[in-house]
Parts: sequence; structure tokens; C-alpha cells
Amino acid sequence: KQEVTQIPAALSVPEGENLVLNCSFTDSAIYNLQWFRQDPGKGLTSLLLIQSSQREQTSGRLNASLDKSSGRSTLYIAASQPGDSATYLCAVRLDRNQFYFGTGTSLTVIP
Amino acid sequence: NAGVTQTPKFRILKIGQSMTLQCAQDMNHNYMYWYRQDPGMGLKLIYYSVGAGITDKGEVPNGYNVSRSTTEYFPLRLELAAPSQTSVYFCASSYEFQPQHFGDGTRLSIL
Repeated sequence: KQEVTQIPAALSVPEGENLVLNCSFTDSAIYNLQWFRQDPGKGLTSLLLIQSSQREQTSGRLNASLDKSSGRSTLYIAASQPGDSATYLCAVRLDRNQFYFGTGTSLTVIP
Repeated sequence: NAGVTQTPKFRILKIGQSMTLQCAQDMNHNYMYWYRQDPGMGLKLIYYSVGAGITDKGEVPNGYNVSRSTTEYFPLRLELAAPSQTSVYFCASSYEFQPQHFGDGTRLSIL
């Protein structure tokens, strides 16, 4: 069974710092991988989706990379801001009905 | 921009009661999903649908039922509520293998 792990569970950084969030998965036969942010009491907001044939995706200050062979993805956030404070989740898709989510990294950006 | 709308936002049920969680999307997405999120756990897929009239089980379908008579609506039914079904329920929608869009969730407590 696919296992998705996100380490660390919590991270606190000063404003302006560049940071990397990690996601690892055990089964490399994925269809795609998606990064989300979740604000307290809210649903998930999609940040980036990487198809299995892609190595990275970028959106603004965010860059996500995918290394299927090693079972890893990273989310890079440049020049962090207090508004980036949230929980970041990664999810891998194996098939149309097989989704596996990590438990997330709770990020706090200190002004 | 309504996106995915879930009602109610909060609900308390007694053991053995039944209820329907409502989900509506206005993006004409063919795929719709129901997840549950328990504290400290990753999201788990309950049921999904690839189009009107077509539904199938996810990872944790026991105790739930769904229907999809139209593209827009995908209600989730709990027939005999049990304490183990206390959770936050999220509905999501997408085009096939494209980023999922989530609602804000229904927080359900069963006492």
C-alpha cells in the first residue's frame, strides 16, 4: 500500500526566508502528485500538480519538483511571507480512485 | 466564483441518526469526490464519481452511500451514524486527472 510521508510536521521560519517542504512516497508508479495548502477551518487549495512525466512545475514563488525513482517531491517557497502560513499537503494519485495524502507540514512564517 | 459548495458547515448527530451532506459544483467538472479528514491522518477517499449516474467506492466506503443524478450535485448519505464517523468531510471536483477543487468542508460530530 502507498505510504505518503511529510517531514517535518511543523516548521517555523522568519519572513523572507526561502524554504523547502518534503514529501516522500513508497510506490513510484504514480500518475501524478499534487501540492495543496489548507488554512484553518478551510478546504484544500490546489497549488501545483505534477504529472508523472514531468520533473517540476512553477507558479509564482512556488516550485515543485518530482523524482519518481527516489519517491520524493519537494515544494520550494521563495521569499516567504506571513500570508504563506498554512498547512501544506501533498497527495499522490495511482489511479482514478486511488489517492494517498500526507498528513501535512504546518508552516508558520514569523514577521 | 462559487466553485464547490458544501452544506451544512457543522452538524451534530446522535448515534443511529441519518443525514445527507450536500455538495454542489458549478465548474462542469465530470469527476467528483468525497473525502474524510481525521485528526493526524491524511485524507481518505470515501466515494467518487466520473460522471452523472456513475459512482464507485474509494478506500473507506463502509457506512456511506452516494448518488449522482446530475453533473452538479454529489450528495453523501450516512444511514446509521456511528461515533467512528465523526470527522471533517470534504467534497472535491475536477476534470479527469486535473487539479482537484475542494469545498470548505462539513464538520460532523456524532454523539
